[in-house]
Amino acid sequence: SQTIHQWPATLVQPVGSPLSLECTVEGTSNPNLYWYRQAAGRGLQLLFYSVGIGQISSEVPQNLSASRPQDRQFILSSKKLLLSDSGFYLCAWSVPVNTEAFFGQGTRLTVV
Amino acid sequence: RKEVEQDPGPFNVPEGATVAFNCTYSNSASQSFFWYRQDCRKEPKLLMSVYSSGNEDGRFTAQLNRASQYISLLIRDSKLSDSATYLCVVTPGTGGFKTIFGAGTRLFVKA
Repeated sequence: SQTIHQWPATLVQPVGSPLSLECTVEGTSNPNLYWYRQAAGRGLQLLFYSVGIGQISSEVPQNLSASRPQDRQFILSSKKLLLSDSGFYLCAWSVPVNTEAFFGQGTRLTVV
Repeated sequence: RKEVEQDPGPFNVPEGATVAFNCTYSNSASQSFFWYRQDCRKEPKLLMSVYSSGNEDGRFTAQLNRASQYISLLIRDSKLSDSATYLCVVTPGTGGFKTIFGAGTRLFVKA
């Protein structure tokens, strides 16, 4: 069966520090991968999606970047965090054709 | 126009009430549709798929109207445990494009 792992679950980082969140998927090949952010009390905002290794599409201009070094690994990074980067970050995967997306348990990031 | 739009709510309903949510989508070539449920501070989880013929799962009924490009979710006999945010989800046709999530509709069911 397929599983998705996302870590860490919670993170408190100072302004200006770097960020690296990792997500891995098991049990499937060539998934679509997504990073979403959800600010407190708000909806899901798509940050990045990837349809294959090294293929990253950015949805909104921001202080973040994403990479996909392996088929089932998706990394969200920042060189210098801003207060506004605080939020709930969710990684998700879907098979390319017409199926639902599955989420990791999320990382709650607080930038202080 | 947003690709997927939902009324953010909140919907405040008493236990036992029937409540309906609508969601509109802009891409007429969209292929698959889903409703997700998200509890506070948790990840979204699949509630049900939405088929062209409509589908029902217990107290939940989902319908698709391709001509008007909207999907709906009906919850009958609301329970306190139904309180959550409901996300509308649309996937495109073939080609590996992204799945689109609506921003969600918040539901509060009160005793």
